Amino acid sequence: AQSVTQPDIHITVSEGASLELRCNYSYGATPYLFWYVQSPGQGLQLLLKYFSGDTLVQGIKGFEAEFKRSQSSFNLRKPSVHWSDAAEYFCAVGPYNTDKLIFGTGTRLQVFP
Amino acid sequence: SAVISQKPSRDICQRGTSLTIQCQVDSQVTMMFWYRQQPGQSLTLIATANQGSEATYESGFVIDKFPISRPNLTFSTLTVSNLSPEDSSIYLCSGNSGTGGNEQYFGPGTRLTVT
Repeated sequence: AQSVTQPDIHITVSEGASLELRCNYSYGATPYLFWYVQSPGQGLQLLLKYFSGDTLVQGIKGFEAEFKRSQSSFNLRKPSVHWSDAAEYFCAVGPYNTDKLIFGTGTRLQVFP
Repeated sequence: SAVISQKPSRDICQRGTSLTIQCQVDSQVTMMFWYRQQPGQSLTLIATANQGSEATYESGFVIDKFPISRPNLTFSTLTVSNLSPEDSSIYLCSGNSGTGGNEQYFGPGTRLTVT
C-alpha cells in the first residue's frame, strides 16, 4: 500500500540552527512529492514540489528538499531556522495514476530563541 | 496560484444537527477535494468532487454522512450530517492547480466543534 512516513513527530531547534525534516515514501514508482507547511489555525501552504529532473528542489521561505530514489526519501532542509518557521510540516505524495495526495503524519517544529 | 476561501471559519454545533461548509476558489479548477484533520492528526481525504458528477468518496466515508455539491468550477459545499462529538475536526477543501502532478491549493479550514 502507498504510504508516507515522517519519523519525527516533534523537533525542537534553536533559532539560527540548521534543520532537516525526514520523509520516506512507499510506492511502486517515483510519485510526485510535496512539502506543505501549516501554521497554527491556518490552512496548508505549499513549500516545494518535485516532479522530475534535478533532485534538489528549491522552495519558498529558504527551504529546499532533496529527492533520493535509492532511499525513497524526500527530506526537507533549511540552513538557518527563523522563529517564524515554527509550524507543522507535512510531506505528501501524489501517485501518478490518481489526482490525490497522500499525507504523512506531520512533524511539529518548535523554535527556541 | 489559486486562492481558496472557506465559510464558516469555525462553528460550534449541537449533536444531531448538520453543518454545511462552503469552499470558494478564485479561479476555475477541475477537481476539488475535501479533507478532515482530527485534532493533532494528519489530513484524511474524505472525497473528490468534480463538476457535474457525483463525488467520489474514500473508504470509511459515505454520502449520507458527508453529502457534497459541486455546482460549478469555482465552488463546492460539504455537509457534515447528524453531528456527533467524533466529528469535531478541521475540515479543509482544496483545488488542483491544473499544472499537473497532483499539486493542490488549500483553503484555511473550518474548525468544527460538536457539543
